Amino acid sequence: DQQVKQNSPSLSVQEGRISILNCDYTNSMFDYFLWYKKYPAEGPTFLISISSIKDKNEDGRFTVFLNKSAKHLSLHIVPSQPGDSAVYFCAASSNDYKLSFGAGTTVTVRA
Amino acid sequence: SQTIHQWPATLVQPVGSPLSLECTVEGTSNPNLYWYRQAAGRGLQLLFYSVGIGQISSEVPQNLSASRPQDRQFILSSKKLLLSDSGFYLCAWRARPGQGAYEQYFGPGTRLTVT
Repeated sequence: DQQVKQNSPSLSVQEGRISILNCDYTNSMFDYFLWYKKYPAEGPTFLISISSIKDKNEDGRFTVFLNKSAKHLSLHIVPSQPGDSAVYFCAASSNDYKLSFGAGTTVTVRA
Repeated sequence: SQTIHQWPATLVQPVGSPLSLECTVEGTSNPNLYWYRQAAGRGLQLLFYSVGIGQISSEVPQNLSASRPQDRQFILSSKKLLLSDSGFYLCAWRARPGQGAYEQYFGPGTRLTVT
């Protein structure tokens, strides 16, 4: 049962423009959400997170938005850079131990 | 600072052979430890997690097993590999609940190909 869904398997964006990645979840008990970035043949790297008590968290070029009523979160990358080309995973947690991951979205930043 | 190591980086094993993947963490004590698998084109599937020495929780029934013989060492094993065991195996750690946020930090991964 996929509790975290990333319905767009890929995204192509021009360098300098905004990248918007979306994530939906079904478990209303999730209270903490994270985004990871992964290059081929490497482990995922933590990017940014948000607690359910907030609706926005910003860190440099990365901003995560949370809409609890819609069970939806998004990651905005502004401006997009060539080094941002990677797979991005959305993850969620309802307790202290485990994360549930989405299937990932492959971002390609075009020059 | 904390560092997580995994080895080997790549492994090619025949069907029916045993498996042992090792993960060690430096710079932290009493971490939670995790094993994940990423199949080709798929997301991250949690296989095992451990909250302490000798304490293993299994998420997916399969022919894999995990052990935690020391506080910062986590081992993934199999007695007989199947073709379906091929994938990218990732170890991760996070601070013990109450000592930080929910973030997990991943090692570099092991690419396993079963032939």
